[in-house]
Amino acid sequence: DAGVIQSPRHEVTEMGQEVTLRCKPISGHNSLFWYRQTMMRGLELLIYFNNNVPIDDSGMPEDRFSAKMPNASFSTLKIQPSEPRDSAVYFCASSIGTGNTRTHEQYFGPGTRLTVT
Amino acid sequence: AQSVAQPEDQVNVAEGNPLTVKCTYSVSGNPYLFWYVQYPNRGLQFLLKYITGDNLVKGSYGFEAEFNKSQTSFHLKKPSALVSDSALYFCAVRDTNAGKSTFGDGTTLTVKP
Repeated sequence: DAGVIQSPRHEVTEMGQEVTLRCKPISGHNSLFWYRQTMMRGLELLIYFNNNVPIDDSGMPEDRFSAKMPNASFSTLKIQPSEPRDSAVYFCASSIGTGNTRTHEQYFGPGTRLTVT
Repeated sequence: AQSVAQPEDQVNVAEGNPLTVKCTYSVSGNPYLFWYVQYPNRGLQFLLKYITGDNLVKGSYGFEAEFNKSQTSFHLKKPSALVSDSALYFCAVRDTNAGKSTFGDGTTLTVKP
């Protein structure tokens, strides 16, 4: 299994630009999570999906952030417009969240390091 | 509500000595408990979990953890530390009725030769 795939691995952009982060979960996993990690705030859950439906977006910082999951194998996290304080490492994770084969644990991608100048 | 605490920001041990990384939790129902490890510039990697059954759970790389319901703890242990165990360790908890896990702030483990 290729694991959770995230792209790009690194993104440098200027303040005000739109940024789109991409995630491909592990095949067969039906829960997908977006996290942000910084030294100051640690690991924060932004939003999670079950069966492509957003369940909890209470961690999304503000309206500049949006996430979609158009199908079971793809999700995006968009920041528009980006600000320097959005600089962080963004992780996507997946799991089997429901049903008799639920795994409980999450499998994380390698992350996208975002720098907004 | 669910929460988890890792009381130590940093743990230092000598190679070959036993190590313990502490974790305590709070949930309203029954807990699912997890440990993850993060190496520099990498994503979190699942180590082990407690779901039900035996209180002592064994995981990857020789790590184990003991679920203690009375003390609401789930400390991570290893009998003999390796320099390669040096990393950031996260404890996480999920109430059985919750859809998401809550992660601790992380503990940096440094194993010196």
